[in-house]
Amino acid sequence: AQRVTQPEKLLSVFKGAPVELKCNYSYSGSPELFWYVQYSRQRLQLLLRHISRESIKGFTADLNKGETSFHLKKPFAQEEDSAMYYCALDSGYSTLTFGKGTMLLVSP
Amino acid sequence: DAGVTQSPTHLIKTRGQQVTLRCSPISGHKSVSWYQQVLGQGPQFIFQYYEKEERGRGNFPDRFSARQFPNYSSELNVNALLLGDSALYLCASSFDGQNIQYFGAGTRLSVL
Repeated sequence: AQRVTQPEKLLSVFKGAPVELKCNYSYSGSPELFWYVQYSRQRLQLLLRHISRESIKGFTADLNKGETSFHLKKPFAQEEDSAMYYCALDSGYSTLTFGKGTMLLVSP
Repeated sequence: DAGVTQSPTHLIKTRGQQVTLRCSPISGHKSVSWYQQVLGQGPQFIFQYYEKEERGRGNFPDRFSARQFPNYSSELNVNALLLGDSALYLCASSFDGQNIQYFGAGTRLSVL
């Protein structure tokens, strides 16, 4: 069965510091990985997906199949990045398995 | 486009009752998925429907059921409510052939 692990419940950094939100997965096939974000009082929304290989709001994530990881990174955190971040795996037919989420707090 | 809409926003029920939650997908989207999000956890997959057919089911008891209508809207039904069913229920829609899901704001169900 597929599983997504986000080891940190809370990550607190200062503005301008680098950020790395960890995500590890277990899945026997070829997964598609996503990062979803939920800002305060907003709905869950897609941040990025690994097949797009693009940078959104300065965030990037690289799929490492050897380490079964899909960590989310940003070189310089901004206060507006404060939110709940969920890593998710699609095992087919748009069925998402989510991690428990990491709350990112960026202090001024 | 209003995006995915869910109703009601909040709901309070007592144990043993039945509840129906509703979801309208983004126009043009033919697939609807339901997720349960318990406080402090990530969303957990319940069902997926595409073209009125169930295409996937998560690890939930038979008390949970759903259906999709010809206009692609969907209902989630939960019978014999338990205290543990208290959660945020999320609906997501996607266009067939893509696996980007767009989420609604959710229905907050409290079972007393």
